[in-house]
Amino acid sequence: GAGVSQTPSNKVTEKGKYVELRCDPISGHTALYWYRQSLGQGPEFLIYFQGTGAADDSGLPNDRFFAVRPEGSVSTLKIQRTERGDSAVYLCASSPNPAGDIEQFFGPGTRLTVL
Amino acid sequence: AQSVSQHNHHVILSEAASLELGCNYSYGGTVNLFWYVQYPGQHLQLLLKYFSGDPLVKGIKGFEAEFIKSKFSFNLRKPSVQWSDTAEYFCAVKKYGGSQGNLIFGKGTKLSVKP
Repeated sequence: GAGVSQTPSNKVTEKGKYVELRCDPISGHTALYWYRQSLGQGPEFLIYFQGTGAADDSGLPNDRFFAVRPEGSVSTLKIQRTERGDSAVYLCASSPNPAGDIEQFFGPGTRLTVL
Repeated sequence: AQSVSQHNHHVILSEAASLELGCNYSYGGTVNLFWYVQYPGQHLQLLLKYFSGDPLVKGIKGFEAEFIKSKFSFNLRKPSVQWSDTAEYFCAVKKYGGSQGNLIFGKGTKLSVKP
């Protein structure tokens, strides 16, 4: 079946601009996660959705970052007033059940470059 | 705060050599443990996971890992590596149960296998 998909695969923007990154989870997965992976680091948690609601947004670095999942499937990560330090690969993952014995399935990521 | 430590940043081996990648975590409660692999140009894929039961778990492609609770460790092993094992390996931890479920990753270990 289809895996997690993310668009765009690459995004180059200028400092100060607004960007949106999209994630399509595996059909039927209720849990959706966003992570950020900087060069030389492992993925770092940003936000987790259970259904339509953000169950845990403790990983968002500041209020320039926001994410939505209005219908409980597709999610959009929004970054306002981008900074060079936001450059990273943004990963999305989904899972059928956040607390059960199930792993998270990752998408290919969106590489964001802020010039 | 919870953390995951991977001891080696870059490991270089010749084909047929044995592999052991170290992973230690800092969390006193019950955890789920994972090893993910990222092959060049591909997205993160699950290699193996531990939830409960036998602390020696077997994954895909001949990999195995041993959970040693007293040492807070979950080391990855393979008796004989192949060139196709060249990839970056990430250890990850998730607190068992609860409503969160986000993964905490180590910084990764890059494995280069020389043919």
